[in-house]
Amino acid sequence: EVQLVESGGGLVKPGGSLRLSCAASGFTFSSYSMNWVRQAPGKGLEWVSSISSSSSYIYYADSVKGRFTISRDNAKNSLYLQMNSLRAEDTAVYYCARDRGFSRVAPWGQGTLVTVSS
Amino acid sequence: QSVLTQPPSVSAAPGQKVTISCSGSSSNIGNNYVSWYQQLPGTAPKLLIYENNKRPSGIPDRFSGSKSGTSATLGITGLQTGDEADYYCGTWDSSLSAEVFGTGTKVTVL
Repeated sequence: EVQLVESGGGLVKPGGSLRLSCAASGFTFSSYSMNWVRQAPGKGLEWVSSISSSSSYIYYADSVKGRFTISRDNAKNSLYLQMNSLRAEDTAVYYCARDRGFSRVAPWGQGTLVTVSS
Repeated sequence: QSVLTQPPSVSAAPGQKVTISCSGSSSNIGNNYVSWYQQLPGTAPKLLIYENNKRPSGIPDRFSGSKSGTSATLGITGLQTGDEADYYCGTWDSSLSAEVFGTGTKVTVL
């Protein structure tokens, strides 16, 4: 069974940092691009970042460019999101999701909540 | 704000049909495949439709997708109470070099 499990969320002060992890299992992780997508409380989905299978191609939403860094470790079947200079507007549930190409994003993890507040 | 526009809500009685529109532009829907996602309350999104009109295994044929020009449509027939959820369209935007999602539509079964 394909499974994605996020971790690392929590409460952090504005300006602080947090590193999210996503553990993948049930598929050949190194063959797929991966995404981070977030959802603020009561709001819609917002794509954050994506990384190709070999890390050759990386993309970021303008809202996080220069503050967030996506990375992966194919040997550990893991995806990461380093979040720096966090702002209140970064408060959201962060989902890790596999990219099957042509906007076919599936499955999604259960999400991890990041709260930025003083 | 999202570059893909959806109606905030649609509703219908059990057994009826609803359609959800997703309006974009030539840089996104007009030249890229569209996917649709269902998000049941308190859960992660799930892929319903990909490549405009294809259903992943396990998704009933009550769900259908189509695309014309810079707009896409999700249809749900034989509406069930279990279909009450938020629905999002998604596609790649070639100008932004970013995946984009629609504003989301809440489906209510009356």
